[in-house]
Amino acid sequence: DVKVTQSSRYLVKRTGEKVFLECVQDMDHENMFWYRQDPGLGLRLIYFSYDVKMKEKGDIPEGYSVSREKKERFSLILESASTNQTSMYLCASSFGAGTGELFFGEGSRLTVL
Amino acid sequence: GQQVMQIPQYQHVQEGEDFTTYCNSSTTLSNIQWYKQRPGGHPVFLIQLVKSGEVKKQKRLTFQFGEAKKNSSLHITATQTTDVGTYFCAGTYDYKLSFGAGTTVTVRA
Repeated sequence: DVKVTQSSRYLVKRTGEKVFLECVQDMDHENMFWYRQDPGLGLRLIYFSYDVKMKEKGDIPEGYSVSREKKERFSLILESASTNQTSMYLCASSFGAGTGELFFGEGSRLTVL
Repeated sequence: GQQVMQIPQYQHVQEGEDFTTYCNSSTTLSNIQWYKQRPGGHPVFLIQLVKSGEVKKQKRLTFQFGEAKKNSSLHITATQTTDVGTYFCAGTYDYKLSFGAGTTVTVRA
């Protein structure tokens, strides 16, 4: 079974802090994604990556950056956390070209005070 | 960016009844996927539709992709308590997958 592991299930940070959310997948998937999930808004794509050291902006990249130094690991960085970034963050991976089935991690619930 | 609209936002169903959730896009989609998220869980892939007019069934679930590839539906027959959760559609346009807001289903026993 594909396993997508997110480093933290729950985080509480203060405004202005730098936040790292890490995601590791164990199935050698080329594609990795970061989404945020908010009630009534569904899942919104922040950034995605189709290869190592490659990144593409999604629909809501402002205030975020990403890093993919190794194929299995995709990190989401909040340089200076703000209260409107309080959300559930979901990492996902998929295999091959195009948009195939996404395998999601358990999610990281971030609260920014 | 392209938007995928999903209705209704909430669906309260009596056990044993049928219901349908709908997904509409402003642009033609390459494919559409459906996911289910149980309360407290993460989204899990259900199915992908690619062809115009395609219909696929999984037991009590029937998925349709519209002829114009701009809409899709999920129909569940004889709803059970195990159907509780949020159902998301996700459409591919310009190599990006965009999710609808989801339909949250509750079941009255």
